Amino acid sequence: GESVGLHLPTLSVQEGDNSIINCAYSNSASDYFIWYKQESGKGPQFIIDIRSNMDKRQGQRVTVLLNKTVKHLSLQIAATQPGDSAVYFCAETLSGNTPLVFGKGTRLSVIA
Amino acid sequence: EAGVTQSPTHLIKTRGQQATLRCSPISGHTSVYWYQQALGLGLQFLLWYDEGEERNRGNFPPRFSGRQFPNYSSELNVNALELEDSALYLCASSQRADTQYFGPGTRLTVL
Repeated sequence: GESVGLHLPTLSVQEGDNSIINCAYSNSASDYFIWYKQESGKGPQFIIDIRSNMDKRQGQRVTVLLNKTVKHLSLQIAATQPGDSAVYFCAETLSGNTPLVFGKGTRLSVIA
Repeated sequence: EAGVTQSPTHLIKTRGQQATLRCSPISGHTSVYWYQQALGLGLQFLLWYDEGEERNRGNFPPRFSGRQFPNYSSELNVNALELEDSALYLCASSQRADTQYFGPGTRLTVL
């Protein structure tokens, strides 16, 4: 399968538990943030986004939290399933003006 | 609705050759972005095209170039291939300048 990094941080969770994936972003001026999921052999898949005027946004089984004070983003996955196993990337941009800048990624491994 | 498509899926070239990669955006999207995903380096921004023009360029040498056609599809050309160009090349499209949707990628191997 696709390998996106030799030294990715890895998070191992039991099926059914909640997962929290963290990301430190680099530019304090960034105002739009996206989480992507990349499964082996596939391109990144959009999961959820958040703008800087919010500190929390919820989707289906996922929640993104934004702490602008410490430039920190997190992705929470509720009731983690084996299909959630993938590499997760956060990305930041200054809306409309700059391309996305991606974090290094975190590998989530779900133990059945 | 069809997603972003890329061709070919795999491409094998030798050092010094040229590679051409293609991307078709989601219908209605006018912006196309190219990224390189090399082993251990994450996703690195290459090029951004919008309405047929190059809007931004990442920190890559001039032998990486591309264009966007009137139908908003795009081509990435890599000249004088080097071994370290081996990577997964990802194309993304967007309707606005921020939410990008990715294709499956082209795996380029340089021997």
